[in-house]
Amino acid sequence: DAGITQSPRHKVTETGTPVTLRCHQTENHRYMYWYRQDPGHGLRLIHYSYGVKDTDKGEVSDGYSVSRSKTEDFLLTLESATSSQTSVYFCAISDPSGGMFFGPGTRLTVL
Amino acid sequence: AQSVTQLGSHVSVSEGALVLLRCNYSSSVPPYLFWYVQYPNQGLQLLLKYTSAATLVKGINGFEAEFKKSETSFHLTKPSAHMSDAAEYFCAVSQGGKLIFGQGTELSVKP
Repeated sequence: DAGITQSPRHKVTETGTPVTLRCHQTENHRYMYWYRQDPGHGLRLIHYSYGVKDTDKGEVSDGYSVSRSKTEDFLLTLESATSSQTSVYFCAISDPSGGMFFGPGTRLTVL
Repeated sequence: AQSVTQLGSHVSVSEGALVLLRCNYSSSVPPYLFWYVQYPNQGLQLLLKYTSAATLVKGINGFEAEFKKSETSFHLTKPSAHMSDAAEYFCAVSQGGKLIFGQGTELSVKP
């Protein structure tokens, strides 16, 4: 398995609170991604990074911010969580051949 | 923009029967195409990928997919279903280093 870990794996929080999810890789790959998975929508890209301090928005970036200060870590922050952000969040990395590998996911519930 | 359509959100087959999961893509340039599998409460695992080499791509667990440019299709097949194949399957197309996913097809295998 690709060396990708996510923390926490599960989180319950309240509306309006800030939440940060962490993705850590041991593969030294340049590209990292955050997706959310919701029933009927498949996976949708939130943000991605193509290098340290280089990030860009995906199709569902509103309400989310990211940071990448080191190659191995990619953080996703919900500044003020809302119930619509209840979802399963997946981090992914891609290798030079174009293969994308996913972490185990974080299940976030916003009450 | 590229997109992916998976025909059928649920497919049910009997154990030992042919598995056929359909995927059509839209792309203005030769695409890179992928199939992923997700078992319950797990992340996504790469099954196979097409990167403009052979049009028939073999993947893990006995799955294969054929790229048909004239039909803009990349259907996933397996000759004989096994109970352990029950999972959700996602087709994806690469766009600018990102993956655009279909909505997923849940495969059920009946004994």
